[in-house]
Amino acid sequence: QKEVEQNSGPLSVPEGAIASLNCTYSDRGSQSFFWYRQYSGKSPELIMFIYSNGDKEDGRFTAQLNKASQYVSLLIRDSQPSDSATYLCAVVMFSGGYNKLIFGAGTRLAVHP
Amino acid sequence: DTEVTQTPKHLVMGMTNKKSLKCEQHMGHRAMYWYKQKAKKPPELMFVYSYEKLSINESVPSRFSPECPNSSLLNLHLHALQPEDSALYLCASSQVSRSDRGPENGYTFGSGTRLTVV
Repeated sequence: QKEVEQNSGPLSVPEGAIASLNCTYSDRGSQSFFWYRQYSGKSPELIMFIYSNGDKEDGRFTAQLNKASQYVSLLIRDSQPSDSATYLCAVVMFSGGYNKLIFGAGTRLAVHP
Repeated sequence: DTEVTQTPKHLVMGMTNKKSLKCEQHMGHRAMYWYKQKAKKPPELMFVYSYEKLSINESVPSRFSPECPNSSLLNLHLHALQPEDSALYLCASSQVSRSDRGPENGYTFGSGTRLTVV
């Protein structure tokens, strides 16, 4: 089982719709979860992070975390063509007294006009 | 300053060359990271430095040699690379966190060095 799993997509949504991106993780002890957006050929840019169960909203983005189900999701409301990118879920894992950020494979989102 | 600066942005090197990638940050972060990202794949962790000491090596081949000469600078020395080592190399930094929650303000990534080995 991979440490962080995402559906690779592509996920295609029409402009103005809600895009829903999902991620599961294997380490039940993980406490911190990040969503990054990456455009082709560019470095990842942080969208938001979440530590607590429930929802966290930031503008058009909402992160949802369910630690019991080991599941984290990202909702993008009013999707725009400029949101077309790969969305990477990342989980902090604790190993030997140090933490490390592990990425899922990413979901490619395509927003069409 | 809230940036991680990586140089060079692009590098082409032969299999017998020796080159170095450089990463610099002035955010007072004491944890720094090297990631490797191949096309259409996620970033893969290579090394973690904490307080200028190597704390995690993810079984990276010895042809990659990291160095952290001070708290602001992280280098990756490259020697005898193979064409399959061609990738985007990303540097990141964060506050040090010894808890399983990770650093409070997350991780800041540089824009990367696009490496091509010929």
